[in-house]
Amino acid sequence: EPEVTQTPSHQVTQMGQEVILRCVPISNHLYFYWYRQILGQKVEFLVSFYNNEISEKSEIFDDQFSVERPDGSNFTLKIRSTKLEDSAMYFCASSEGGADQPQHFGDGTRLSIL
Amino acid sequence: QQQVKQSPQSLIVQKGGISIINCAYENTAFDYFPWYQQFPGKGPALLIAIRPDVSEKKEGRFTISFNKSAKQFSLHIMDSQPGDSATYFCAPSHSGYALNFGKGTSLLVTP
Repeated sequence: EPEVTQTPSHQVTQMGQEVILRCVPISNHLYFYWYRQILGQKVEFLVSFYNNEISEKSEIFDDQFSVERPDGSNFTLKIRSTKLEDSAMYFCASSEGGADQPQHFGDGTRLSIL
Repeated sequence: QQQVKQSPQSLIVQKGGISIINCAYENTAFDYFPWYQQFPGKGPALLIAIRPDVSEKKEGRFTISFNKSAKQFSLHIMDSQPGDSATYFCAPSHSGYALNFGKGTSLLVTP
């Protein structure tokens, strides 16, 4: 069964450094998402991406964050200057689109900011 | 994001019993009501979902009951098994846009 893959599984970064989290969505999917889950808290929506542009974003997704689909297979989340509170599990998801199409999640990247 | 309230926070059920998890929402624009299952170290995986034009949907041991007027929906796991031990999230959305996750319910099914 096709799956969403995320790399790395764990990223440790010094505060203030830039970090890029990578995702390979399911190949025929058109909609891409990033969510995060701070330890012990609920999963929170960050951003959705369709047709090479952001279609929706949350208040969390401020100017420190950016997303890109650099080629036909990868989808990336960049945090420009990391803060301690950015430490979380980051999940990428993809879907075919449409109200009934489920979002398929990767297993996440654990980001630890020191 | 709109508020979504999920209960209980944790649940312990004996093998063979029924697990019931509830979700209440505020946004009447929501039209897609999924439950996700998450095992440790894994991402959430869609378990079952319902649209608002039906009041109940059953897939194997899993049933969603939906009450539009009360703005609530629930997950019932019949004949609960130890392998069902996981965290469950309701995550309603509008037309396939952002999922709005509840805080999750940690289910433990004892042998």
